[in-house]
Amino acid sequence: DTEVTQTPKHLVMGMTNKKSLKCEQHMGHRAMYWYKQKAKKPPELMFVYSYEKLSINESVPSRFSPECPNSSLLNLHLHALQPEDSALYLCASSQVGTGSYYGYTFGSGTRLTVV
Amino acid sequence: AQKITQTQPGMFVQEKEAVTLDCTYDTSDPSYGLFWYKQPSSGEMIFLIYQGSYDQQNATEGRYSLNFQKARKSANLVISASQLGDSAMYFCAMREINNAGNMLTFGGGTRLMVKP
Repeated sequence: DTEVTQTPKHLVMGMTNKKSLKCEQHMGHRAMYWYKQKAKKPPELMFVYSYEKLSINESVPSRFSPECPNSSLLNLHLHALQPEDSALYLCASSQVGTGSYYGYTFGSGTRLTVV
Repeated sequence: AQKITQTQPGMFVQEKEAVTLDCTYDTSDPSYGLFWYKQPSSGEMIFLIYQGSYDQQNATEGRYSLNFQKARKSANLVISASQLGDSAMYFCAMREINNAGNMLTFGGGTRLMVKP
């Protein structure tokens, strides 16, 4: 299995809703990532998990709450979002290490619209 | 801090011709990796090619090749024999490794449009 699976593919939520994005991989990768991508912009790193521990938080607002319950699963819990949080949310995974090549595998993303 | 620059917001190429997408980077780390990704309108990021900072030869993957000029800090993507399906956004990215883990930082992207 060489895929990263993200669900749902599309999500529309109100500003008072609570929702979660899910990301799953079975490649044995021990690093997982959340990226946010606005239209016509590059992906921006939000969070990095390494060996199921949060290692990087790029000053993301607390209304985004990541969770890594096990080595295959990564969640992003959403609460009290703003319309400007509407974006494509991409999950990725990779091996951990300092070798010459550790490729990233991306999921197909969740298109989030906050109304 | 590292920085990735793609100076071509958009490019046109005639079908079956070759095209070069530019990427320059800036880092003080001696060990780094450079990636190119393709993103069609569907949104998924498709890995195309990788070049390590210590690799002596330019990377090639089918119709894709990477023109790596380390002294100039450039890593241009060359697509040979363009196809209509190559129309997409293309991102150059650099991997940084620190104690916190791997970080992949993207350039601003180039939108490639292939004309029939």
